[in-house]
Amino acid sequence: AQSVAQPEDQVNVAEGNPLTVKCTYSVSGNPYLFWYVQYPNRGLQFLLKYITGDNLVKGSYGFEAEFNKSQTSFHLKKPSALVSDSALYFCAVRDRASGTYKYIFGTGTRLKVLA
Amino acid sequence: GAVVSQHPSWVICKSGTSVKIECRSLDFQATTMFWYRQFPKQSLMLMATSNEGSKATYEQGVEKDKFLINHASLTLSTLTVTSAHPEDSSFYICSARGRENTIYFGEGSWLTVV
Repeated sequence: AQSVAQPEDQVNVAEGNPLTVKCTYSVSGNPYLFWYVQYPNRGLQFLLKYITGDNLVKGSYGFEAEFNKSQTSFHLKKPSALVSDSALYFCAVRDRASGTYKYIFGTGTRLKVLA
Repeated sequence: GAVVSQHPSWVICKSGTSVKIECRSLDFQATTMFWYRQFPKQSLMLMATSNEGSKATYEQGVEKDKFLINHASLTLSTLTVTSAHPEDSSFYICSARGRENTIYFGEGSWLTVV
């Protein structure tokens, strides 16, 4: 079965420091991986995706993610965190086995950037 | 970028009544839309996949007769919670498949059943 794991419920980082939000996946075949961000009481906003090609994917708001096939990981990173980056981050994988565009989400990681 | 609009953002209804939530793709056509439910501090749970012009595909454990989904056009899908009860209170989010097969999400709808 396809699955996504976000091992950290919360990540705290000081403003200006680099941040990493972890995600590992388990899929059959080549994965389609995504990161979304959710601000309080709002829907999800698309940050970036990996389909194929370069393992380092650049997305919105200065975020990037590195696809690592050997470690089955897709960690979200940013070189310098901002207080405004504080939000809930979801990693997702497209359930290709179902032949649909159904997404499977991780449990989310709350990022708190401290001023 | 692609925009998905949900309406209403907030709704309060009485137990036993029905409430409809709309999901619209504003600048693209979406043959497939998805409805999720999110409990506080939890991840999104896929409820059903809405296909334009055909019946929705429900996930296991989701009551089809309680959560009616209609995808009548390429830009509109509706979720109707029938005979709502307090335990149906939740945050409901829709999404639509847009350009380059990227999924775009609506802003969500808070439902409170009193």
